[in-house]
Amino acid sequence: GEDVEQSLFLSVREGDSSVINCTYTDSSSTYLYWYKQEPGAGLQLLTYIFSNMDMKQDQRLTVLLNKKDKHLSLRIADTQTGDSAIYFCAAISNFGNEKLTFGTGTRLTIIP
Amino acid sequence: DSGVTQTPKHLITATGQRVTLRCSPRSGDLSVYWYQQSLDQGLQFLIQYYNGEERAKGNILERFSAQQFPDLHSELNLSSLELGDSALYFCASSSRQAGNTIYFGEGSWLTVV
Repeated sequence: GEDVEQSLFLSVREGDSSVINCTYTDSSSTYLYWYKQEPGAGLQLLTYIFSNMDMKQDQRLTVLLNKKDKHLSLRIADTQTGDSAIYFCAAISNFGNEKLTFGTGTRLTIIP
Repeated sequence: DSGVTQTPKHLITATGQRVTLRCSPRSGDLSVYWYQQSLDQGLQFLIQYYNGEERAKGNILERFSAQQFPDLHSELNLSSLELGDSALYFCASSSRQAGNTIYFGEGSWLTVV
């Protein structure tokens, strides 16, 4: 089955760009997602990308997909204190069986 | 607000008891998913329903069951509860018509004592 991996921690200075990386194993993954979870809160869908795209930009967020290497990244420009959260990468490997497989999450800490 | 509603938000119950978690999907979404989030296991997929029928099954224990009703709301039933069942249970819904976006509710915190 699908396996999704992320590094556990990332610290970034306020105002810098944050880049959160993710790798997945199933080359047939169709949709890839980024979710944000703040302390004590639910999972907020930030953005997603379809597997036939290699980049998607949405305001401060840029998603890059390297399908050959099965690598996904989320770049947050001008990182703010409100961006402190855990960021989860997730993938759907089979369009008919829409089971999302999540990574372990990356805890983003903003340094003032 | 994702549009997915889960109740109750918090629940404390004793071992051996049974609880029911409820989920109302976003308007028009036919798919409902249940996930469990615990510190040691991360986010685990439990089960998916599509328009009332079970579509996919994940790491769901036999003590757990779910269903999706004709009005598309779903319930997750957890029985013979153990301390290890303490977790945050998420419901999510999706619509293929919306680019297969999957939105999550705020979750139901279950504490088993």
